[in-house]
Amino acid sequence: EAGVAQSPRYKIIEKRQSVAFWCNPISGHATLYWYQQILGQGPKLLIQFQNNGVVDDSQLPKDRFSAERLKGVDSTLKIQPAKLEDSAVYLCASSSVGGATGELFFGEGSRLTVL
Amino acid sequence: DAKTTQPNSMESNEEEPVHLPCNHSTISGTDYIHWYRQLPSQGPEYVIHGLTSNVNNRMASLAIAEDRKSSTLILHRATLRDAAVYYCILRDPGYALNFGKGTSLLVTP
Repeated sequence: EAGVAQSPRYKIIEKRQSVAFWCNPISGHATLYWYQQILGQGPKLLIQFQNNGVVDDSQLPKDRFSAERLKGVDSTLKIQPAKLEDSAVYLCASSSVGGATGELFFGEGSRLTVL
Repeated sequence: DAKTTQPNSMESNEEEPVHLPCNHSTISGTDYIHWYRQLPSQGPEYVIHGLTSNVNNRMASLAIAEDRKSSTLILHRATLRDAAVYYCILRDPGYALNFGKGTSLLVTP
């Protein structure tokens, strides 16, 4: 079974530029998550989708971050304009069921460096 | 969100058992206890989860205190590949995982 695919793996940009990350979840997984992991910290949830609807985006900085999941499959996370503090690994995860027991499967992440 | 408390780091010798503690004194009746681990330069991976009873799988065992205010992840024989950050997470039904800082496990030969 193919895992969660993310691209690009690495991205270096100047502050105030824009960047987009792409995620392809495991086939059939209805729930998709984007997490931000700053060096030395645990992952922080940015947004959760159920199919193509947003379940939770309370921690997404909406003035600069946006995410969409068209057709309930792939998802993109965009940052515009980027700030220095956005340097982090952006992790995508998916699960087949919601609730409290569904296992999350994570991709390898996209590492962003903002100079 | 109910919080968990874990030691920042632990060390173990290879091939010995490892007991990773987690305190969660404010756990609610519907919270499941999840453990994930994150190997260097990888995304987190699921280890085990439970509600009230102890649980075993091929990776580890989860021992849950009778009052559910603490739990312990048990790796029966640590290997070098088990060196990772281990996260203990309480999960409300319908909500995503909220990670803390976890315990960094060092395994020495």
